[in-house]
Amino acid sequence: AQSVTQPDIHITVSEGASLELRCNYSYGATPYLFWYVQSPGQGLQLLLKYFSGDTLVQGIKGFEAEFKRSQSSFNLRKPSVHWSDAAEYFCAVSPLNAGNMLTFGGGTRLMVKP
Amino acid sequence: DSGVTQTPKHLITATGQRVTLRCSPRSGDLSVYWYQQSLDQGLQFLIQYYNGEERAKGNILERFSAQQFPDLHSELNLSSLELGDSALYFCASSVARSGNTIYFGEGSWLTVV
Repeated sequence: AQSVTQPDIHITVSEGASLELRCNYSYGATPYLFWYVQSPGQGLQLLLKYFSGDTLVQGIKGFEAEFKRSQSSFNLRKPSVHWSDAAEYFCAVSPLNAGNMLTFGGGTRLMVKP
Repeated sequence: DSGVTQTPKHLITATGQRVTLRCSPRSGDLSVYWYQQSLDQGLQFLIQYYNGEERAKGNILERFSAQQFPDLHSELNLSSLELGDSALYFCASSVARSGNTIYFGEGSWLTVV
């Protein structure tokens, strides 16, 4: 069965500092990969996705993620964090050509210090 | 705004009761999904409908059922509610059955007391 691991439950960074959120997946083949963000009391907003091609993908709000097949990882990065980035971030995978059922990681809660 | 609309936003009900959550997908989307987010289970896929037909089933309890209507809106019915059913229920939609981006609504908060 496929699974997604986000090793860091909580991360605190200072405003303006760089950010990397880790995501590892376990799946028989390279799945579709996604990062979603959930602000307090809000729904899930898609930040970026990887289907194929260039392994460095750009998303909204200045986020990017890099797919590394050898490490089964899809880490999310941002060069300079803003206070408004405080939220919970979810990595998710979806199997190729077998429906859009997303399997989510447990989430990483990001706190931003002023 | 994702374009996926869910009602109600908040709902408080007693154990043993039945509730219906409603979802309108984005314009043009044929697939609708339901997910449950709870503190102990995280985000879990419940069920998918595509153009009115059940497409895939996840960890959905037998007390729960869903359907997608000809106008493509969907309803999730939760019956014989238990305290543990308290959660945020998300609806999501996509254009096709697979290989597409899924867009989520803001969710329906269900509290069972």
